[in-house]
Amino acid sequence: SQKIEQNSEALNIQEGKTATLTCNYTNYSPAYLQWYRQDPGRGPVFLLLIRENEKEKRKERLKVTFDTTLKQSLFHITASQPADSATYLCALEYSSASKIIFGSGTRLSIRP
Amino acid sequence: DTAVSQTPKYLVTQMGNDKSIKCEQNLGHDTMYWYKQDSKKFLKIMFSYNNKELIINETVPNRFSPKSPDKAHLNLHINSLELGDSAVYFCASSQEMRGLSEQYFGPGTRLTVT
Repeated sequence: SQKIEQNSEALNIQEGKTATLTCNYTNYSPAYLQWYRQDPGRGPVFLLLIRENEKEKRKERLKVTFDTTLKQSLFHITASQPADSATYLCALEYSSASKIIFGSGTRLSIRP
Repeated sequence: DTAVSQTPKYLVTQMGNDKSIKCEQNLGHDTMYWYKQDSKKFLKIMFSYNNKELIINETVPNRFSPKSPDKAHLNLHINSLELGDSAVYFCASSQEMRGLSEQYFGPGTRLTVT
């Protein structure tokens, strides 16, 4: 079965630095991979989607890469701010079952 | 306007009771979902509906019964509640069923079974 692993349960970095979060998956490569942000007590919020034929996608200070050879996606936040502190989830489509499966998330803390 | 809303936000009940959680979306989406997020924050799909039709039933005990009266609503009824049902339940919607479509989540319902 398809599995997703976000290899850091928690990540603490200094404000202004670039935060890099990792999402690894096993078995087949999905056509799309998504990243979400979740704040405490709230539902996840969609951030970015990247297709398998796209190496990189950017949105303001966010950048996502997708390496189908390594079966990995990296999520970068440049010039990080304390307001970026949250849990970040990666998600991918599971085969033709038309459902999304989520990783367990990485809790990011940006210290001033 | 709230895109995806759920009621109640908090639900505390005793084992053996039956309870319902309601979900409504005003985005005009065709697909709705129920997810369970446990204490370890792992978000797992339970059900998905497309145009009121059940598409995914993800090995959920049959004590859980979703109902979609129309495309904008997907309610979750739980019979004979157990301690292990304690979690946060999220409703979500998307324009399409496939992974190309981003999902919009509700604020969640924190269910505590005592």
